[in-house]
Amino acid sequence: AQSVTQLDSHVSVSEGTPVLLRCNYSSSYSPSLFWYVQHPNKGLQLLLKYTSAATLVKGINGFEAEFKKSETSFHLTKPSAHMSDAAEYFCVVSGAGSYQLTFGKGTKLSVIP
Amino acid sequence: NAGVTQTPKFQVLKTGQSMTLQCAQDMNHEYMSWYRQDPGMGLRLIHYSVGAGITDQGEVPNGYNVSRSTTEDFPLRLLSAAPSQTSVYFCASSYRTGGEETQYFGPGTRLLVL
Repeated sequence: AQSVTQLDSHVSVSEGTPVLLRCNYSSSYSPSLFWYVQHPNKGLQLLLKYTSAATLVKGINGFEAEFKKSETSFHLTKPSAHMSDAAEYFCVVSGAGSYQLTFGKGTKLSVIP
Repeated sequence: NAGVTQTPKFQVLKTGQSMTLQCAQDMNHEYMSWYRQDPGMGLRLIHYSVGAGITDQGEVPNGYNVSRSTTEDFPLRLLSAAPSQTSVYFCASSYRTGGEETQYFGPGTRLLVL
């Protein structure tokens, strides 16, 4: 069984300040972990993925995430928020040998000018 | 390469009507799946298929039917629409290579059931 908990339903930051979106996971196997972004009324875009290689994963648009097995966390960060980062972000887990994705409930990121 | 395509983009149904949401992929992926997205719930798996002729239920399968007669197509059928099925539906396909999997999502179908 696998599950994902996104610790904040809404995060608000000022433009130019760091972004931290928190995600904890639970999985019986070595998981694959993903972050997806969804802009309003748009589809899902893959930001980055972890698949048991380097624990620090770099994605698109300056985002990165660190896999911490001891803390079962996969938090998403960005050094400096841009207005275009305003969107909903989903943390997703996939168990070993399984294509099935389990989504977190999402974190809505607001960026204040 | 069109990727994953979904039709229609938007649909309004009356309670009790049936309809089929279409999903197609041209990447020869074995695995395909359907998700629904509701506010504050993330995406939840409805049904999935690991290849032509093989389907299985996900987390929220009630009220939906699927079949997979070809690798390319994976239609989702609503047998008798209910207001609780108002949602945005996403189809996805994926493949695995070298231990890594990659998922591709369609653009979504927005369904309103009155």
